[in-house]
Amino acid sequence: SQTIHQWPATLVQPVGSPLSLECTVEGTSNPNLYWYRQAAGRGLQLLFYSVGIGQISSEVPQNLSASRPQDRQFILSSKKLLLSNSGFYLCAWSRYSGNTIYFGEGSWLTVV
Amino acid sequence: AQSVTQPDIHITVSEGASLELRCNYSYGATPYLFWYVQSPGQGLQLLLKYFSGDTLVQGIKGFEAEFKRSQSSFNLRKPSVHWSDAAEYFCAVRNNNNDMRFGAGTRLTVKP
Repeated sequence: SQTIHQWPATLVQPVGSPLSLECTVEGTSNPNLYWYRQAAGRGLQLLFYSVGIGQISSEVPQNLSASRPQDRQFILSSKKLLLSNSGFYLCAWSRYSGNTIYFGEGSWLTVV
Repeated sequence: AQSVTQPDIHITVSEGASLELRCNYSYGATPYLFWYVQSPGQGLQLLLKYFSGDTLVQGIKGFEAEFKRSQSSFNLRKPSVHWSDAAEYFCAVRNNNNDMRFGAGTRLTVKP
């Protein structure tokens, strides 16, 4: 069966510091990968998605970036965090030709 | 562009009572439709999905949803709510272009 792992689960970072959230998927090959952000009390906003290694589509880049160095690894980064980056970040995956998206457990980011 | 509307931000029901969460979508063709549930501080779990065929779909945890094309709706129902159903519920719509949109969510509170 397929599993998705996301870490760290909780992160408190000062303004201006860098960010790295990592996500890996197991049990499948060539998945589509996604990063979503969920602000407090709000719905989900798609940040990035990837259909293959090195292929990243950006929906709302802001000061964030994403990379896919390996088939089943997806990384969300920032060089300098802003207060407005605080929120709940969710990694997700779907089969390459599939329509159902499956989510990781999420990472809480607090920028102070 | 496609969109998803969940008209109810917050719903409170008594334990054992029936539940219906509303979802309306805007899309030119029949989309792929989903309901997810999110417990506090956790990722989203897929409850059920509709792609085609029987318009009444059964999901996990005793939930069901009915697709009504004429009303552009995909409402989620449960005959008898349990206290453990308290969570946030998200309706989602996906087209053929890898574009998935989420509603803003409905928070369910269950009274003892």
